Amino acid sequence: EDKVVQSPLSLVVHEGDTVTLNCSYEVTNFRSLLWYKQEKKAPTFLFMLTSSGIEKKSGRLSSILDKKELFSILNITATQTGDSAIYLCAVFIQGAQKLVFGQGTRLTINP
Amino acid sequence: NAGVTQTPKFQVLKTGQSMTLQCAQDMNHEYMSWYRQDPGMGLRLIHYSVGAGITDQGEVPNGYNVSRSTTEDFPLRLLSAAPSQTSVYFCASSYRSGSFYEQYFGPGTRLTVT
Repeated sequence: EDKVVQSPLSLVVHEGDTVTLNCSYEVTNFRSLLWYKQEKKAPTFLFMLTSSGIEKKSGRLSSILDKKELFSILNITATQTGDSAIYLCAVFIQGAQKLVFGQGTRLTINP
Repeated sequence: NAGVTQTPKFQVLKTGQSMTLQCAQDMNHEYMSWYRQDPGMGLRLIHYSVGAGITDQGEVPNGYNVSRSTTEDFPLRLLSAAPSQTSVYFCASSYRSGSFYEQYFGPGTRLTVT
């Protein structure tokens, strides 16, 4: 059974801190790993990772994939209250043409 | 471009009732899918479609039907609602199936079954 596991499930930090969110996976036919941010409503796309060791960056957010150890991390530096959200990790399964999501990490940034 | 739209935003049903959640996209996307989101469980795929006339089951298809008669619309039917179907439902679409195409999500429908 394809499985994606995120940790921690919940995280509370102060503004300005740096956070690292984890995503590990066990799937039959890996194609890519995606990160989403979900605030009040629909998830919005952050990154897609397909190759090991290549960091993707967008402002204060960055992410990297390790296909040997089957995990990815999402880093957020100099956190702001606007970063408070649920962060979702998903793996795209080749052949089955579907995304399998992890449980999500609820991140709360306190001022 | 309205993107992906879903109706209704909220719905309360009694056990045993049936209803259809509507999803439409105006981006000419081939791939559409339905997810449900429950606390602590992320999003789980219910059904998906790689094009008009083609649908397939996801992880949790029981109790739900779909059809795709046009490229734009992908309705989700609950045949006989059960309290276990209380959830937030998201529809998503992408240009084609395949990981290289970003999925766009609708705003969601919050369904409560009593």
